[in-house]
Amino acid sequence: DQQVKQNSPSLSVQEGRISILNCDYTNSMFDYFLWYKKYPAEGPTFLISISSIKDKNEDGRFTVFLNKSAKHLSLHIVPSQPGDSAVYFCAASARGSTLGRLYFGRGTQLTVWP
Amino acid sequence: NAGVTQTPKFQVLKTGQSMTLQCAQDMNHEYMSWYRQDPGMGLRLIHYSVGAGITDQGEVPNGYNVSRSTTEDFPLRLLSAAPSQTSVYFCASKTGGNPWYFGPGTRLTVT
Repeated sequence: DQQVKQNSPSLSVQEGRISILNCDYTNSMFDYFLWYKKYPAEGPTFLISISSIKDKNEDGRFTVFLNKSAKHLSLHIVPSQPGDSAVYFCAASARGSTLGRLYFGRGTQLTVWP
Repeated sequence: NAGVTQTPKFQVLKTGQSMTLQCAQDMNHEYMSWYRQDPGMGLRLIHYSVGAGITDQGEVPNGYNVSRSTTEDFPLRLLSAAPSQTSVYFCASKTGGNPWYFGPGTRLTVT
């Protein structure tokens, strides 16, 4: 059963506007959440993360919001740029785990058009 | 640093053949893992290692073997390839509480 869910397979946004990518999780043990970005024919690259002790983390144009009670997180990209077009994976882990094993969602294809 | 390197980039196998996917990292990371990505699916963990000489199974280990004789290398062996193993394979490494760092992937087709 999928413990991390990204229910929107695709999102199309105009350049300059905000992109909002959503992610839900079911496992209450998850306390560390990450977003990875993937271009075609490349490996996923780490984008931003958030610990469950926070409800928001910002890094430049990227902000991740965490709603623990709803088991929901979102990635906001403002302003969106054509170079942001990629597949975005939400991932979760339990920090109590030494390994930090990641559980991934199925990804959302973001397309930013001029 | 070259980061995480994977060879080959592409491979076509016939059913029943065996092969080894290579993975190496030059960052002295203690943790390494193998994931597979199938169309419309997220990445799923095959095997992982927490240090040289220590490996364990992930979510989808059947049909694959691993070993970790050095910190740098973590090869993935397909014992008898099956069409269900057609996928893109990613190797990853990390140290401590830092995020996992992924290689560029190997695209495998089994006919």
